[in-house]
Amino acid sequence: EVQLLASGGNLVQPGGSLRLSCAASGFTFSSYAMGWVRQAPGKGLEWVSAITGGGGDTYHADSVKGRFTISRDNSRDTLYLQMSSLGAEDTAVYFCAKGSSVSRPYFFDWWGQGTLVTVSS
Amino acid sequence: EIMLTQSPGTLSLSPGERATLSCRASQSVNSYLAWYQQKPGQAPRLLIYDTSSRATGIPDRFSGSGSGTDFTLTISRLEPEDFAVYFCQHYGRSRTFGQGTKVEMK
Repeated sequence: EVQLLASGGNLVQPGGSLRLSCAASGFTFSSYAMGWVRQAPGKGLEWVSAITGGGGDTYHADSVKGRFTISRDNSRDTLYLQMSSLGAEDTAVYFCAKGSSVSRPYFFDWWGQGTLVTVSS
Repeated sequence: EIMLTQSPGTLSLSPGERATLSCRASQSVNSYLAWYQQKPGQAPRLLIYDTSSRATGIPDRFSGSGSGTDFTLTISRLEPEDFAVYFCQHYGRSRTFGQGTKVEMK
């Protein structure tokens, strides 16, 4: 069974940094693209970042470009999201999600439970 | 960027009734359209991909249709567990989500 366990969410001050992790199991991790999707409190879903199965291609939403970096360690079956210059607008639950194929186009067929990032002083 | 507009914002129905949810794209998305269900405090769950293909384990009361810019998710007979928020997503040139439709119990 596919499992995605996100962690690393925390309370962080404006301008701070945080790294999220997502431990994957139940599938061949390197064979699938992965992504991060966030949801601000009471709001809808916002696609944040994605990475191909081999890690060679990454994509970021305009709202986080230059501040967030997605990466993966296929030897550890783990996805990461390095976040910097955080602002209140980044407060959200961050979901990691498994892509349906190794590269585009792909939908997200499995989702982790999410980790909460709160940006506040 | 392709924008997705979902309607209505809220649908108030009773168990056993038919639910019809709309997702309109600002330009053609071919067939790269998915639907997700989200219940309070839970992660989204994939229902439909490629416009009309049901994901593994999804009951056949859920169906997707459409083409080009206009897409529909239909729940033929609402079960109590179907009351939730539904999001559409384009996963071709962009990866945008619609703003969601809440299906609530009347």
